[in-house]
Amino acid sequence: DSGVTQTPKHLITATGQRVTLRCSPRSGDLSVYWYQQSLDQGLQFLIQYYNGEERAKGNILERFSAQQFPDLHSELNLSSLELGDSALYFCASSPGLAGAEQYFGPGTRLTVT
Amino acid sequence: DQQVKQNSPSLSVQEGRISILNCDYTNSMFDYFLWYKKYPAEGPTFLISISSIKDKNEDGRFTVFLNKSAKHLSLHIVPSQPGDSAVYFCAASRGVYGGATNKLIFGTGTLLAVQP
Repeated sequence: DSGVTQTPKHLITATGQRVTLRCSPRSGDLSVYWYQQSLDQGLQFLIQYYNGEERAKGNILERFSAQQFPDLHSELNLSSLELGDSALYFCASSPGLAGAEQYFGPGTRLTVT
Repeated sequence: DQQVKQNSPSLSVQEGRISILNCDYTNSMFDYFLWYKKYPAEGPTFLISISSIKDKNEDGRFTVFLNKSAKHLSLHIVPSQPGDSAVYFCAASRGVYGGATNKLIFGTGTLLAVQP
């Protein structure tokens, strides 16, 4: 158990809909990262938050957004969903901004039908 | 542009023997490298890491070697056990010494099968 929790574990929704994925980092970790793992793209970095502020963006679509709340949990919002958004979404956390291992949650499997 | 490459999609070894997983990178700005193990339907599990100022790091049965001139790292597992069967990802980041973001760039993974 990494100490990172993610809900829900599975999500099935229709095209055009909006969903919210939730992540709670390990106790004491200030950085939260979101990654997407799809069949043809591997694990891709989406976005990083550190202590409530956005720190880095990867190949995150404009239809996707995230935030980190004062209690340090984070939410990833996916809107106008397309079939190609079906993937595993992982959250990870680390103590600081850089230079440390990231610990991953169990992931949320999103299926868009 | 695949900055981190794992050219072997799969590897099969006998129990008790050495497993060697390889990874190449192209970005010379990477200064921190990690290996993760992943079982189906689970998140990646951190195994071992190495910073660019070292060329070797050891933790129990796992050793990571870094060859900066060749932009190559490898993970050695000795002795291999059936429970090691999983997908192994190498990852790289920049920013240990620059305070930049810690985003990880992952390779595509190598499926290790350890035969009893």
